[in-house]
Amino acid sequence: GEDVEQSLFLSVREGDSSVINCTYTDSSSTYLYWYKQEPGAGLQLLTYIFSNMDMKQDQRLTVLLNKKDKHLSLRIADTQTGDSAIYFCAEGFVSSGSARQLTFGSGTQLTVLP
Amino acid sequence: DVKVTQSSRYLVKRTGEKVFLECVQDMDHENMFWYRQDPGLGLRLIYFSYDVKMKEKGDIPEGYSVSREKKERFSLILESASTNQTSMYLCASSLGGFGNQPQHFGDGTRLSIL
Repeated sequence: GEDVEQSLFLSVREGDSSVINCTYTDSSSTYLYWYKQEPGAGLQLLTYIFSNMDMKQDQRLTVLLNKKDKHLSLRIADTQTGDSAIYFCAEGFVSSGSARQLTFGSGTQLTVLP
Repeated sequence: DVKVTQSSRYLVKRTGEKVFLECVQDMDHENMFWYRQDPGLGLRLIYFSYDVKMKEKGDIPEGYSVSREKKERFSLILESASTNQTSMYLCASSLGGFGNQPQHFGDGTRLSIL
């Protein structure tokens, strides 16, 4: 795995859409993931996308993948105050014994303003 | 649902003590991981294990060791705790094989070394 980069902060108004961006460098990654971390808690798997897909939608969440530019985004429609959290993108790569390691970005702190 | 349980949410220890952090998963996952999380640095992999009694170093193994005597349990050991090991520690587990292997996380242990 290589570097995964995300912007550190994003603020949006309640009801607006949020778009969290991520760039990765390992072109051999086959799965890319989005995790959410609420204060004082562990990471919760939100969604994932396989590298042969361009888009995946799951209720209010839309994941877009631009493989050529190695760019991944997570769009949250109708953002609510409960969406305030840190969002991590991660790319998977196969390591020892077929264990798929993840390389995480540093996380984007999403703040939803009333 | 996958359940990953870390034995303590908060732990306070003294410099030089030997510290054990325990993690148990209930989904018969082959792979288990230990990370530490520090502000601005994201998640950094300390050690992982892809099978019982197997272990591999991650990115920052110095000052740590691990034990996996049973499939469901993965322990992180700080041999002689130091103040720079004050951090949030996260355990995760995932299925084996070459397909999609999302990692599932526990709630974390916030460790303070005085």
